[in-house]
Amino acid sequence: DTAVSQTPKYLVTQMGNDKSIKCEQNLGHDTMYWYKQDSKKFLKIMFSYNNKELIINETVPNRFSPKSPDKAHLNLHINSLELGDSAVYFCASSPFRTSGRGLNTQYFGPGTRLTVL
Amino acid sequence: GQSLEQPSEVTAVEGAIVQINCTYQTSGFYGLSWYQQHDGGAPTFLSYNALDGLEETGRFSSFLSRSDSYGYLLLQELQMKDSASYFCAVRGGGATNKLIFGTGTLLAVQP
Repeated sequence: DTAVSQTPKYLVTQMGNDKSIKCEQNLGHDTMYWYKQDSKKFLKIMFSYNNKELIINETVPNRFSPKSPDKAHLNLHINSLELGDSAVYFCASSPFRTSGRGLNTQYFGPGTRLTVL
Repeated sequence: GQSLEQPSEVTAVEGAIVQINCTYQTSGFYGLSWYQQHDGGAPTFLSYNALDGLEETGRFSSFLSRSDSYGYLLLQELQMKDSASYFCAVRGGGATNKLIFGTGTLLAVQP
């Protein structure tokens, strides 16, 4: 009954390769996110989709391309992997709030530890 | 821009009380959240404050002072399983639902 799942959990690859990470949520949420957590545990938003539409695109190299085939899935494709891409990548989901205050609890997947050699 | 500062590490003993502080700078404020992350695990939601004051959830409480751009997480009756990283976070403004996370505080609970 996993709420947010990611595959694979671990990914070890060579520099220059292309790889994908998949994410699925069964919470019925409209919004999904990709975060990157570096070796110092700093957690930073990369992308967000709402109902298959890209709504957040932070300053991320264009080697990173998210894709949302439907609102329950958000994948991340990375081209030409570099050493600095080594990190843990978390997918998350939440309900969508159009405006105003209020809690925006995000539910995180277990993470994908990417190691680029 | 938006930034949140936290102490990098805190150490306490089992049964004690510990406070983890968070100061923030935001353009627009939409509440302060706290997340817990065990080593090798995913961040999980703990608490949220939209208004000034204290919110209590079992052994954990969170406090907010909007005038001081400051909040804290209070953990009581510490247990070994509370050893984890703790992150404060604010929502991005307007229709943006993104969370901006603090630098994180590693709490080590000792016997």
